[in-house]
Amino acid sequence: GQQLNQSPQSMFIQEGEDVSMNCTSSSIFNTWLWYKQDPGEGPVLLIALYKAGELTSNGRLTAQFGITRKDSFLNISASIPSDVGIYFCAGQLKGSQGNLIFGKGTKLSVKP
Amino acid sequence: DGGITQSPKYLFRKEGQNVTLSCEQNLNHDAMYWYRQDPGQGLRLIYYSQIVNDFQKGDIAEGYSVSREKKESFPLTVTSAQKNPTAFYLCASGQPSYNSPLHFGNGTRLTVT
Repeated sequence: GQQLNQSPQSMFIQEGEDVSMNCTSSSIFNTWLWYKQDPGEGPVLLIALYKAGELTSNGRLTAQFGITRKDSFLNISASIPSDVGIYFCAGQLKGSQGNLIFGKGTKLSVKP
Repeated sequence: DGGITQSPKYLFRKEGQNVTLSCEQNLNHDAMYWYRQDPGQGLRLIYYSQIVNDFQKGDIAEGYSVSREKKESFPLTVTSAQKNPTAFYLCASGQPSYNSPLHFGNGTRLTVT
């Protein structure tokens, strides 16, 4: 099936650092979504993107829908301890019935 | 509050037994979905339903069954035919159209021994 390549797979952050992660695919998407999942909980929607080139912010989070419609990135500025968790990208393929394809996630941890 | 409720949060079963996971939503969404999550993997689609009394297989439907008799409810049965049933199961709902993100429940962790 279709795949999304999400990177990095994991990263360690120090409080105050900026964080960046991205998802890429060889397919064209109509929608990009970014979710955060805390341990033992369901994913929570952070940002939804619907147009190529769209740049959307939600507090310290900023995400962009790539111009080619094949990629998206998520930035977190001035990270805080509660930012730890797993971040997933999800895309809805052009012409699909609404089903999403998910990346494998980026796990954010705090540097010891 | 509107949302998606999955129950129970934790479920333990012996191998060979069927088990049903509950998912209820009061968001008035037409579509409902079941995903399976394993450590280090993304979410994999088991079954989905875009309208009452209709559902389709996802990428990993073998060993699972569903029903959609009511708009609000989409229970998932993990049968004894599922070879590796221990996992975290997530239910989601949304509208099967563009510009409609999925909303997730808080999951059920199933352990089969």
